[in-house]
Amino acid sequence: AQSVTQLGSHVSVSEGALVLLRCNYSSSVPPYLFWYVQYPNQGLQLLLKYTSAATLVKGINGFEAEFKKSETSFHLTKPSAHMSDAAEYFCAVTQGGGADGLTFGKGTHLIIQP
Amino acid sequence: DAGVTQSPTHLIKTRGQHVTLRCSPISGHKSVSWYQQVLGQGPQFIFQYYEKEERGRGNFPDRFSARQFPNYSSELNVNALLLGDSALYLCASSPRTGALRDTQYFGPGTRLTVL
Repeated sequence: AQSVTQLGSHVSVSEGALVLLRCNYSSSVPPYLFWYVQYPNQGLQLLLKYTSAATLVKGINGFEAEFKKSETSFHLTKPSAHMSDAAEYFCAVTQGGGADGLTFGKGTHLIIQP
Repeated sequence: DAGVTQSPTHLIKTRGQHVTLRCSPISGHKSVSWYQQVLGQGPQFIFQYYEKEERGRGNFPDRFSARQFPNYSSELNVNALLLGDSALYLCASSPRTGALRDTQYFGPGTRLTVL
C-alpha cells in the first residue's frame, strides 16, 4: 500500500521568503512522486515529478524537490515566494503499476503575506 | 492543443438520482483516469481506463462505474446518489497506461452537489 502525509494544512510565508512544503511517503516499492498545484476553482497542474532519474528535481515556476529515500521525504521548495504562488499544493505517490492510481496527500494551503 | 475538457462544469442533483459526467482527453492520449476530490481533501482515485478497458479501480462502491469510448473520451456514472457524493470530480489523461509515472494532465473538474 502507498500513502502520503503532508505536514501542515496551512503554510504562511512572506513575499520573497523561502517556501518549504513537506511531504513524506510510504511505499512498499520504489515510488514515483509528484507535486501538483491547484488554484481556486481549477484542476491540478503538475509542478514536478520524481521517476528515479535524479534525486533533485526541478519543476516549473522556480519550484524544486529533493527525493530522500532514507527519510522517505519529497519536500517542495522555492527560494523566493511570489504572490502568485498562493494556492493549494498536493503531493502524490504511485508505484507505477496503474492499478492503484495516484495517491494524494490532503494538501497544503500556501498563503503569501505581502 | 486543447487540454482535458470536462462537462458539465457544475451539476446539482438530489439523493437517489443518477448522474453522468463526461471527459475528453488531450488529443493523442489514450488513458483516462477519474478522481473524486471532497472539499478540503486531496483527490481520490476512482478508475483508470485505457483502450476502452478498466485498468485500475480505487476503493469506491459499485454505484460508481465508467466507460471509455473508441475516441478515448470517457463517462463516469454514479447511481443512487448520496449526500457524501458531493465533490469535485476530476478527469486526467495520459499517453499510456501501466505507466502512471507518466504525467497525468487534469481537467478543470465537474462540481457535483447532491441535495
